[in-house]
Amino acid sequence: AQSVAQPEDQVNVAEGNPLTVKCTYSVSGNPYLFWYVQYPNRGLQFLLKYITGDNLVKGSYGFEAEFNKSQTSFHLKKPSALVSDSALYFCAVSNSGYALNFGKGTSLLVTP
Amino acid sequence: DTGVSQNPRHKITKRGQNVTFRCDPISEHNRLYWYRQTLGQGPEFLTYFQNEAQLEKSRLLSDRFSAERPKGSFSTLEIQRTEQGDSAMYLCASSYRQANTGELFFGEGSRLTVL
Repeated sequence: AQSVAQPEDQVNVAEGNPLTVKCTYSVSGNPYLFWYVQYPNRGLQFLLKYITGDNLVKGSYGFEAEFNKSQTSFHLKKPSALVSDSALYFCAVSNSGYALNFGKGTSLLVTP
Repeated sequence: DTGVSQNPRHKITKRGQNVTFRCDPISEHNRLYWYRQTLGQGPEFLTYFQNEAQLEKSRLLSDRFSAERPKGSFSTLEIQRTEQGDSAMYLCASSYRQANTGELFFGEGSRLTVL
């Protein structure tokens, strides 16, 4: 079985500060890991993925994520948060590339 | 708009009725996916197609659910004899046929409310 856990329901950060949204995973074999973002009244949007290679993955809108095999984590990060980053963020894992298992989501609120 | 299109956006029905949702993927995408999302949860995989072939179906999916993609273009998801527990947002996504990329393009969803 494969799953992800997002331990924080909500993350609050001030604009301009760095942000981290946490994700840990459980999978047999090599994981394919993803981050998606959901803005209000919009469809889910792909942010970034880790398949293989460098542990630090760069994605859209200045986001990046670090794959840590020993800690089974794939935390999403951004050096300087924007108010427009406020949204719902989902971590997902797959061993097939199509049947993604999503976490419950973390609501990010960036305050001015 | 060349994104994934889903219709209807909202559907309210009475328990026991049948409902059908339609998804029009991005035209050059040959993979199509259905997910379901309930409040406070992440999307849950239901099924996926490559062209017209349904290649995977979640073991958790009730027999009351059926999906088709007859010509490898649009897809329909039908729920028969709806139950209150079927109330959810039904999401469609599509992608290129690239093995294991996981880069899915999602529509805005069809919200089902079963009274």
